[in-house]
Amino acid sequence: DTAVSQTPKYLVTQMGNDKSIKCEQNLGHDTMYWYKQDSKKFLKIMFSYNNKELIINETVPNRFSPKSPDKAHLNLHINSLELGDSAVYFCASSQGLADSSYEQYFGPGTRLTVT
Amino acid sequence: GQNIDQPTEMTATEGAIVQINCTYQTSGFNGLFWYQQHAGEAPTFLSYNVLDGLEEKGRFSSFLSRSKGYSYLLLKELQMKDSASYLCAVMDSNYQLIWGAGTKLIIKP
Repeated sequence: DTAVSQTPKYLVTQMGNDKSIKCEQNLGHDTMYWYKQDSKKFLKIMFSYNNKELIINETVPNRFSPKSPDKAHLNLHINSLELGDSAVYFCASSQGLADSSYEQYFGPGTRLTVT
Repeated sequence: GQNIDQPTEMTATEGAIVQINCTYQTSGFNGLFWYQQHAGEAPTFLSYNVLDGLEEKGRFSSFLSRSKGYSYLLLKELQMKDSASYLCAVMDSNYQLIWGAGTKLIIKP
């Protein structure tokens, strides 16, 4: 019954590795997001994906690449992991972008630690 | 640049009332959201304001003044479970949410 799910919940890996985080939503929403929450608790949007249109945040390094096989899934692939990538990554979804009142539903988060 | 300001931390007593303020400067405005985030958990939606005034929802109310770039979240009859971070977020002209760093609310018995 989980609305937005992410796997894994915890991810510990070494610098230079490549890893993926998976996200699935069963709400029938059109829009999905990836956020990064750092140690100072700022939530920063990384990507939003609306009906197969990817909106890229230009401050995100190109080592990060989202992949959406279908409307219910938005995975995040990270190449050549760096120490500064350590953070909690949240996936979220909303009904769409057409109405600003649409709230976002968040997944439980993936705590990534790069050593 | 875009900026959301809210106090870092506040302390209140169980049963009391607390007001958490948020001021914002963004490129455009398409609404303001308040989310609650318990430690180690995901943010969950509390309220949405797009017009000036007060929106009441049970023990929680949210106020907006667009001309002042200001909002507050009012929590009444505080309970221990209200201990959490409260995040203010503004939707800008590109329909992207700009988030504040959150206010950590500590409730004491």
